[in-house]
Amino acid sequence: DAGVIQSPRHEVTEMGQEVTLRCKPISGHDYLFWYRQTMMRGLELLIYFNNNVPIDDSGMPEDRFSAKMPNASFSTLKIQPSEPRDSAVYFCASSFFPRGVNTEAFFGQGTRLTVV
Amino acid sequence: QKEVEQNSGPLSVPEGAIASLNCTYSDRGSQSFFWYRQYSGKSPELIMSIYSNGDKEDGRFTAQLNKASQYVSLLIRDSQPSDSATYLCALLRSARQLTFGSGTQLTVLP
Repeated sequence: DAGVIQSPRHEVTEMGQEVTLRCKPISGHDYLFWYRQTMMRGLELLIYFNNNVPIDDSGMPEDRFSAKMPNASFSTLKIQPSEPRDSAVYFCASSFFPRGVNTEAFFGQGTRLTVV
Repeated sequence: QKEVEQNSGPLSVPEGAIASLNCTYSDRGSQSFFWYRQYSGKSPELIMSIYSNGDKEDGRFTAQLNKASQYVSLLIRDSQPSDSATYLCALLRSARQLTFGSGTQLTVLP
């Protein structure tokens, strides 16, 4: 398996524009996590899904952020409109938790977002 | 109180020394604990997991868990310059929510 795949790797956009980040989890994984990483706040959990259903979106900072998982192999994180303070590295991670077993989460390479 | 707290460092140790990284957590319901390593500009990668009280050793790495004190630590023996990275403590809550600390930056000096 190629691992968790994120696109794009880098995104530079102007304030006010819509930004869409994409993630393909590892096949067979039923949990998908979106994180944001900044120097000031570290690695923050934004939202996570189980079997394509959002379980907890309490980490989503504002209504400008939304996430979807239309099927088991694809998820998006959208920011509309984007602001300079959204500049960060956004990671997607996936995992599966067979009954009684806690396994690791595998991370994608991240998307470095810069909003100017 | 943050769910997962780590000393932000930076922590510097000489090559060959033992590096000790610490983490405390607030959710007593947490059952699984992980240490991830993150090199600059890269994504986090798992180096250790621990689920039971006590020590778990894997090569030069030893994870220690004390649920009563809500404390997790990572020891790196015979530290190498290639160990220089940010180390992230993470816990898995009962709802499968994976939460990370802010990380400790480690530098191993040749």
